[in-house]
Amino acid sequence: DIQMTQSPSSVSASVGDRVTITCRASQTISNYLNWYQQKPGNAPKVLIYAASSLESGVPSRFSGSGSGTDFTLTISRLQPEDFAIYYCQQSYTAPLTFGGGTKVEIK
Amino acid sequence: QVQLQESGPGLVEPSQTLSLTCTVSGDSINSNAYWWSWIRQSAGKGLEWIGRVHIAGTINYSPSFESRVTISVDTSKSQFSLKLNSVTAADTATYYCARDRFTMLRGLIHNWFDPWGQGTRVTVSS
Repeated sequence: DIQMTQSPSSVSASVGDRVTITCRASQTISNYLNWYQQKPGNAPKVLIYAASSLESGVPSRFSGSGSGTDFTLTISRLQPEDFAIYYCQQSYTAPLTFGGGTKVEIK
Repeated sequence: QVQLQESGPGLVEPSQTLSLTCTVSGDSINSNAYWWSWIRQSAGKGLEWIGRVHIAGTINYSPSFESRVTISVDTSKSQFSLKLNSVTAADTATYYCARDRFTMLRGLIHNWFDPWGQGTRVTVSS
């Protein structure tokens, strides 16, 4: 299985801050990488697919980059509604696997 | 817009079979453009993909579950189902169904989960 490792596991930030979350794959996955946001009590929701494509309806302050084994999710200016847990997921090969999550908390 | 809804018992006894159904509304489950997946989330193991089914009959299972899982689809009811045998306390989790969307980008096929059902909490306990 491809292991997905996210860092940090949590980050404290203020509204307006720029936040960067990293995801590393245990082997190369090209750009087969998706990012999800999960708020308490809700299912995950896709933000970014194919490493850098913004899902329709997702604010442009979210962006993704990377290829191979190293990927980044950036929130350019953190908004109150962005406090949540973020997960990466590889779609390169089955079994499809997720990272452990990064919790974005209010500073 | 498409909506997915999980249903099934919230409590299952150890060694028994966990059975869940996902009802798809707002779009046809018959579309060749999608797979239909089951995913679970637990405090101990995070998000785990269990497997997926395509209406053409192809099924993929995660090796972690392959020996005791069955996923099937009933297009007449617009539903797909999960059966997990011989459950233990380690199978206690929130179970989600999700549509596995595909698109072609620069000649490559990419897929991601969208949307997800709201999830159903299943506890394994006597």
